[in-house]
Amino acid sequence: DTGVSQNPRHKITKRGQNVTFRCDPISEHNRLYWYRQTLGQGPEFLTYFQNEAQLEKSRLLSDRFSAERPKGSFSTLEIQRTEQGDSAMYLCASSPTSGRTYEQYFGPGTRLTVT
Amino acid sequence: AQRVTQPEKLLSVFKGAPVELKCNYSYSGSPELFWYVQYSRQRLQLLLRHISRESIKGFTADLNKGETSFHLKKPFAQEEDSAMYYCALLPGGGADGLTFGKGTHLIIQP
Repeated sequence: DTGVSQNPRHKITKRGQNVTFRCDPISEHNRLYWYRQTLGQGPEFLTYFQNEAQLEKSRLLSDRFSAERPKGSFSTLEIQRTEQGDSAMYLCASSPTSGRTYEQYFGPGTRLTVT
Repeated sequence: AQRVTQPEKLLSVFKGAPVELKCNYSYSGSPELFWYVQYSRQRLQLLLRHISRESIKGFTADLNKGETSFHLKKPFAQEEDSAMYYCALLPGGGADGLTFGKGTHLIIQP
């Protein structure tokens, strides 16, 4: 499968613990996005990378959240001191820089449960 | 700030009936509008883009700037159209994060 992949697919953690998620975009895509989706809501934009540069951050991305894309390939999203309100599906998407540049290709998501 | 509103959480129609999923947006500039779809146990994927003005799987959507709407329509629903549908807005001007509505769950009854 050459689509966007995310690991792990599910994560259960206790409140106060740190968690890290990984996203591997489609190989020729240099744009990468993170979204969060809670029950009954549409995805909410968190942050966006072009290559290794983080170009856009939502106000939803509090100080406890940090995202990196060190070599312009895979990306990680870390949540420190998790809270129950962080329980959600975290989606990653990538898009190309030529052709259908407007189309974001989504991964399967990582479902986080904070107990 | 931009906003996308999908007034119907759930829409149930019979096979062969027309379908219209409503989407309204608020944004001061000229956004790009999209419809994304998520079939059961599949990933979110792009269905339509307003600029393309094309028909995908029999669905069409017209951007009405006066009414700030981008409703999705299909004249004859099919059972395989059952899915979650999300309307999304891209503000442009260098911003690339999509703003999604809450989604409409479309159920096509046989």
